[in-house]
Amino acid sequence: GDSVTQMEGPVTLSEEAFLTINCTYTATGYPSLFWYVQYPGEGLQLLLKATKADDKGSNKGFEATYRKETTSFHLEKGSVQVSDSAVYFCALGHSGNTPLVFGKGTRLSVIA
Amino acid sequence: DVKVTQSSRYLVKRTGEKVFLECVQDMDHENMFWYRQDPGLGLRLIYFSYDVKMKEKGDIPEGYSVSREKKERFSLILESASTNQTSMYLCASSTTGGPNSPLHFGNGTRLTVT
Repeated sequence: GDSVTQMEGPVTLSEEAFLTINCTYTATGYPSLFWYVQYPGEGLQLLLKATKADDKGSNKGFEATYRKETTSFHLEKGSVQVSDSAVYFCALGHSGNTPLVFGKGTRLSVIA
Repeated sequence: DVKVTQSSRYLVKRTGEKVFLECVQDMDHENMFWYRQDPGLGLRLIYFSYDVKMKEKGDIPEGYSVSREKKERFSLILESASTNQTSMYLCASSTTGGPNSPLHFGNGTRLTVT
């Protein structure tokens, strides 16, 4: 079946550092790929998405590129802020109404 | 903005009690989901529903049931709570546009079973 693997956390960075959170997937066909973010005390919210190979999703300074050849969708940000401290989830979905498949999440802590 | 409201932020229940977790969404979404979130295990899908009065089992339905009598409300029921059901429970909703319709989550209910 489909699966998503994320790098283990927690990840601790200093403010203004470069962030990469790795995500790879196993899926049949051509899934859509997503990053969701969960801030402390809240539910998850969609951060960005890409629906086909070579698409780049971006939002709030975060970017991720759908790489079919490496089955990856790594999340990057050039300069993190303390307010980016959260848990980040990579997910995939297929057309139709099957539920999303989530990775286990990566906790990011940014210190001033 | 879509709002998904979970009735309780924190709940403490005793082993063997019947527990109801309520979720209401205000955007006329067809799809609703219940997940549990545990450290090291991420999100796991318990049950979901694509329409009123229908339900589908997710990955870990054992020990749970659900009810969807109205489109806006999706209830998760623990028939006889056990300590291994202590967890954070998250409800979500979406429209029927497939995976490109984003999930909207509530803020979660942290359930402790003693």
